[in-house]
Amino acid sequence: GAGVSQSPRYKVAKRGQDVALRCDPISGHVSLFWYQQALGQGPEFLTYFQNEAQLDKSGLPSDRFFAERPEGSVSTLKIQRTQQEDSAVYLCASSLVGGFPQAEAFFGQGTRLTVV
Amino acid sequence: AQSVAQPEDQVNVAEGNPLTVKCTYSVSGNPYLFWYVQYPNRGLQFLLKYITGDNLVKGSYGFEAEFNKSQTSFHLKKPSALVSDSALYFCAVRGLSRRDMRFGAGTRLTVKP
Repeated sequence: GAGVSQSPRYKVAKRGQDVALRCDPISGHVSLFWYQQALGQGPEFLTYFQNEAQLDKSGLPSDRFFAERPEGSVSTLKIQRTQQEDSAVYLCASSLVGGFPQAEAFFGQGTRLTVV
Repeated sequence: AQSVAQPEDQVNVAEGNPLTVKCTYSVSGNPYLFWYVQYPNRGLQFLLKYITGDNLVKGSYGFEAEFNKSQTSFHLKKPSALVSDSALYFCAVRGLSRRDMRFGAGTRLTVKP
């Protein structure tokens, strides 16, 4: 597709359940970012990939959060043993080049996770 | 550390009037500054960015932003607001050596007919 695609759009999980969120970046984009956006807040950085390498995971809130991009394209964000505080919109973004802080990122529509 | 402040949660303007959405930033070294817009149930859409050079940056949909280094500001402006401009606006900053983009809390712009 032409843009960043995320699935599912909505996910309801019971507390303690594991979830997996998928991101299809724009074809050919080297950089991929995951952000968490709580209600009424701006996006908060979670992690960054350059191709298949996870170069920065400093924003992941706990070891229950895990992200991968094994072939340098599609990425999955996994949350184990979900807690209510994990409820948020998870945004994926991609950027054509790597290592260029001046490059803008293109965002997907997000996955709204609700933990009940 | 890098950070962004959007001092106004809400901005209301009448259609046809000029609008300004404020943003101030803090970053080590030269900043790269961005504005994004978010419509309901949509992802963030890129509007414009400042890298270097001319302090007045022009972007999509008639928006522009003015970089002011001495005031560490990057306010978003539009000469004549449209009702369709009503949305949530986010300012973001990235430092030279940073991979992550730091976002402000957002400003909800409402343009009334």
